[in-house]
Amino acid sequence: TQLLEQSPQFLSIQEGENLTVYCNSSSVFSSLQWYRQEPGEGPVLLVTVVTGGEVKKLKRLTFQFGDARKDSSLHITAAQPGDTGLYLCAGMGTGNQFYFGTGTSLTVIP
Amino acid sequence: NAGVTQTPKFQVLKTGQSMTLQCAQDMNHEYMSWYRQDPGMGLRLIHYSVGAGITDQGEVPNGYNVSRSTTEDFPLRLLSAAPSQTSVYFCASSYSRGPFEQYFGPGTRLTVT
Repeated sequence: TQLLEQSPQFLSIQEGENLTVYCNSSSVFSSLQWYRQEPGEGPVLLVTVVTGGEVKKLKRLTFQFGDARKDSSLHITAAQPGDTGLYLCAGMGTGNQFYFGTGTSLTVIP
Repeated sequence: NAGVTQTPKFQVLKTGQSMTLQCAQDMNHEYMSWYRQDPGMGLRLIHYSVGAGITDQGEVPNGYNVSRSTTEDFPLRLLSAAPSQTSVYFCASSYSRGPFEQYFGPGTRLTVT
C-alpha cells in the first residue's frame, strides 16, 4: 500500500486568509491529483501534476509537485466561502492503482 | 453527456443479503474503478478495470465482486453483506492513457444492519 498523508485534517479560517494543505508520502508517484468534494457528492478533479517540481495555478489555487514526486501542496490565496469542502490528494502508484489521502476538511467563515 | 451514473443512491441491507451497485459512463472511458469512503479514511480502491473483460483487485477487495462485459458498465456485487461494508461507494472512470483524470459518480450510501 502506498500511503498518502494529508495535513492538516481540519482547517477553519476566516474569509480572505491564505492557507496551505500538504500531501506527503514515502512512495514515488507517476502523477498526483487534487480533488474537491462537497457533502453528498463525488469528488471533482481540480488539477493533475505529473513532473517533479511542477507548479500549476488555477485562479487563487496554486499546486506544487515535489521534486522527488513524493509530495504535493495546495495553496489557496484569499480564501472564499465557496472554497469550503473536503480536499483530497490522490496518486497513481504501481499497477494503475490510485491511492487517496485521508483528506483535509476546509471551512471558510464569511 | 450524463457522465458517470450510479444507482441506487441509498440502500439498506440486512446482514447476509446480496446486492449489485450499478455504475455506467457514457464517455467511452477505458478505465473504471470502485472506491469506498469511510470517515477519516479517505477513498480506498476496491476493484478496477482497464477495459472490457479485464478486472483487477485494489486495496480492499474482500467481500466484493466485479465484472466488465461492456465499456460502459462496471457493476459492483456484494456477495454477503456485513456491517463492516456500511460505507459510501463511488464509481469513477477515466481514459487509460495519460494522467488518468477521473470523473466520479454521485455515490451510493449503503447501510448494512
